[in-house]
Amino acid sequence: SQELEQSPQSLIVQEGKNLTINCTSSKTLYGLYWYKQKYGEGLIFLMMLQKGGEEKSHEKITAKLDEKKQQSSLHITASQPSHAGIYLCGAAIGGNYQLIWGAGTKLIIKP
Amino acid sequence: KAGVTQTPRYLIKTRGQQVTLSCSPISGHRSVSWYQQTPGQGLQFLFEYFSETQRNKGNFPGRFSGRQFSNSRSEMNVSTLELGDSALYLCASSLVAGFGELFFGEGSRLTVL
Repeated sequence: SQELEQSPQSLIVQEGKNLTINCTSSKTLYGLYWYKQKYGEGLIFLMMLQKGGEEKSHEKITAKLDEKKQQSSLHITASQPSHAGIYLCGAAIGGNYQLIWGAGTKLIIKP
Repeated sequence: KAGVTQTPRYLIKTRGQQVTLSCSPISGHRSVSWYQQTPGQGLQFLFEYFSETQRNKGNFPGRFSGRQFSNSRSEMNVSTLELGDSALYLCASSLVAGFGELFFGEGSRLTVL
């Protein structure tokens, strides 16, 4: 969806390096999800952010929500092969919480 | 506890036919939402049901419909299939309606010939 832009579209990172994926909305965000997907499979929940300035971490993954910029970032520290996959951001926009999704960021980890 | 179950996992149909996909949510979850995922359009919201009522609907033609039963299981139906309906159809369940943690099934991959 052009309403929710993810960058970069793809990323190749050397194992052990850090990386950041961004998700920017053209509309006011009421909440944002980060999910991970292996090709052709279901989505695995990573984080859910609801308040401006909110930051959550799980293992080596940290996500932040900047409400003013209508943007969220997902940061992976010391990347591992298990981090490879497609990362999707989904946002609740409008008062009825209809969800829109970014096009995804394909992450490849080089050993 | 058991996750979200979608059936069938794979199916092949021809243009003009119709298809029904099923989704069994996690026990206790009353919200079920459906999504279509294609390489060109990405993940797109179809509709959301909560306690048998459709709460939200995405921008899809009337050929796409759904329903939810009293046990929270949901079905979606696509009538008069077109080639462009080939996609991975994902369903997700949640404890709450609206913005809550979504638990996704593995999806039903539909191919229309």
